[in-house]
Amino acid sequence: DAGVIQSPRHEVTEMGQEVTLRCKPISGHDYLFWYRQTMMRGLELLIYFNNNVPIDDSGMPEDRFSAKMPNASFSTLKIQPSEPRDSAVYFCASKLSSGANVLTFGAGSRLTVL
Amino acid sequence: GNSVTQMEGPVTLSEEAFLTINCTYTATGYPSLFWYVQYPGEGLQLLLKATKADDKGSNKGFEATYRKETTSFHLEKGSVQVSDSAVYFCALTKFGNEKLTFGTGTRLTIIP
Repeated sequence: DAGVIQSPRHEVTEMGQEVTLRCKPISGHDYLFWYRQTMMRGLELLIYFNNNVPIDDSGMPEDRFSAKMPNASFSTLKIQPSEPRDSAVYFCASKLSSGANVLTFGAGSRLTVL
Repeated sequence: GNSVTQMEGPVTLSEEAFLTINCTYTATGYPSLFWYVQYPGEGLQLLLKATKADDKGSNKGFEATYRKETTSFHLEKGSVQVSDSAVYFCALTKFGNEKLTFGTGTRLTIIP
């Protein structure tokens, strides 16, 4: 398996622009998580899905953030409009519910908002 | 609620030194405990885990023992290598709760 695939790996955009980050989880995994990592706040869980359904979005910072999972092999995290404080590395991770509760992370998408 | 407290970093050691990174947790019942490692430019990956008291997780020369009495899961390695330079995260999860609670991470740098 190719692992969790994220794109883009790097994104530089200007304040006010829309940003879409993409994730392809490991085939067969039924949980998908979006995390954000910054120096100041560390690793934060934004939202997670089970069988494509959002279960807990309490970590989504505000209405500018939205996440979707239209099918088992694809998820997006959208920021509209983006702000400089959104600059971070965004990780997607997936896992199998019947497994040992072990997450497999993607390589991350580094977002810079100017 | 659940929480994980990790040793503050950064930690710098010479090659072949002994490593300990402290981790303590707060949780009711019997959580599962994990150490994840993040190499530069990569996502986190599981290093080792333990699911019940007195279990010892081990991988790549690293070890950690689940200590219920001290609510700790300290990471140790007898002889570190330059390739061990990374950020290490302690984490826990409770049965029935799908969310992992992560510590703040400890950056480790090994110098030749």
